[in-house]
Amino acid sequence: EAGVAQSPRYKIIEKRQSVAFWCNPISGHATLYWYQQILGQGPKLLIQFQNNGVVDDSQLPKDRFSAERLKGVDSTLKIQPAKLEDSAVYLCASSSVSGNTIYFGEGSWLTVV
Amino acid sequence: DQQVKQNSPSLSVQEGRISILNCDYTNSMFDYFLWYKKYPAEGPTFLISISSIKDKNEDGRFTVFLNKSAKHLSLHIVPSQPGDSAVYFCAASDGSGNTGKLIFGQGTTLQVKP
Repeated sequence: EAGVAQSPRYKIIEKRQSVAFWCNPISGHATLYWYQQILGQGPKLLIQFQNNGVVDDSQLPKDRFSAERLKGVDSTLKIQPAKLEDSAVYLCASSSVSGNTIYFGEGSWLTVV
Repeated sequence: DQQVKQNSPSLSVQEGRISILNCDYTNSMFDYFLWYKKYPAEGPTFLISISSIKDKNEDGRFTVFLNKSAKHLSLHIVPSQPGDSAVYFCAASDGSGNTGKLIFGQGTTLQVKP
């Protein structure tokens, strides 16, 4: 069974530029998450989708971050404009509706300079 | 406000000995706890979990203990192996019924020496 796929793996941008990350969850998983992990900290949930609806986006900085999951499968997370403090690993994860276990992708590493 | 805390940033143990990783939480509404392991340049992988109705769960070399009155859980690895060297995250489900919204601790880096 293929895992959660993310791209790009690494990205370096200048502050005020924009960046987009893509995620393809495990086949059949209705729930998709984007987590942000800053160096030295644990992952923090940014947004959670069930199918193509948003379940929780309470910690998403909506002035600069946006995410969509148009067809209930793939998802994109966009940051515009980026700030230095956005430097982090962006982890996509998925789970089945009934499952308690969340499966993470390898992450997209963002450095803002 | 850090609701899940792992106060030891690192731990070093000898191969074959026991590794004990600790985690404290502040929210009594947390009802499900998980441990994730993370190797460098990889995403976290699920290791073991425990529901708040239990005080112990065991899976092979890994055992998680939950002390609800102390709001404390621990992960025991016996015997420790060099391949266990990784960052370990404790996580809690926030009790809202949304088991996908996990609150993570800062992580503990475990080094198992051969």
